[in-house]
Amino acid sequence: DGGITQSPKYLFRKEGQNVTLSCEQNLNHDAMYWYRQDPGQGLRLIYYSQIVNDFQKGDIAEGYSVSREKKESFPLTVTSAQKNPTAFYLCASSIGVASGRVWDEQFFGPGTRLTVL
Amino acid sequence: AQSVSQHNHHVILSEAASLELGCNYSYGGTVNLFWYVQYPGQHLQLLLKYFSGDPLVKGIKGFEAEFIKGKFSFNLRKPSVQWSDTAEYFCAVNEANTGNQFYFGTGTSLTVIP
Repeated sequence: DGGITQSPKYLFRKEGQNVTLSCEQNLNHDAMYWYRQDPGQGLRLIYYSQIVNDFQKGDIAEGYSVSREKKESFPLTVTSAQKNPTAFYLCASSIGVASGRVWDEQFFGPGTRLTVL
Repeated sequence: AQSVSQHNHHVILSEAASLELGCNYSYGGTVNLFWYVQYPGQHLQLLLKYFSGDPLVKGIKGFEAEFIKGKFSFNLRKPSVQWSDTAEYFCAVNEANTGNQFYFGTGTSLTVIP
C-alpha cells in the first residue's frame, strides 16, 4: 500500500532535549511538508521541501530543523530552542513542481503527538 | 503571505440538517482550492478540490463546494448531514503557478447530533 508513515505515534521528551520525528513516503512524491496542528489554530507550516537536498522555511520554522537526503524521507528535529513544542505534528507529501505539476492535493500521514514533560 | 479564513469554528447540527461552512482567502491571483476532512482518530483526507472549470465542485460523501471568484470564497455544502459527518473540516488554498506551498484555514469542528 502506498502512503505516508510517521513514527512514533506518541513521543515524550524532557525539556531541553532535541527529538527527531520520522516521516517516510512511498508515493514517489517530490514535495514533502511538516505541519504543526494546535487546537483552534489549524495547520501551520513548519518546513517544506520541493526536491531532495532542498528545503524552505514555513511560517513557524524557529526551533525546528529538517533534512531531505532521500526522496522518501523528511525527518523533523524539534530542538530545545522551540519554546512550545508540545503539539500534534503532521507530515504530508504531494507530487510537486519537479514533476511538472505545480499544484495537486497533499497526502497526510497519521501524525505524531509530542509532549514535553 | 496568503491567509485563509474559516469563520465558523464550531458547528452543531441535527441529522438531516443542511450544512454550509464558509471559507475565504486573500490571494488575488489564480488559486487552487481544497477542502480536507479529519474524522476522529483518522488521517486528514481530501474531500474535494477545485483547479479550474465548473465552479461547483462535487466531492465524496455528498459534499460540494462553490468557488465564487469575486467573493474570494469556496464554501462547503451538504444538503443533509449524517452523524458520520462529525469531523473537523479544513479549507486550503494553493497559489497556482507560483509553487506548491499550501495555506490552511483554522478549521471548523462539526458535531452532528443523531
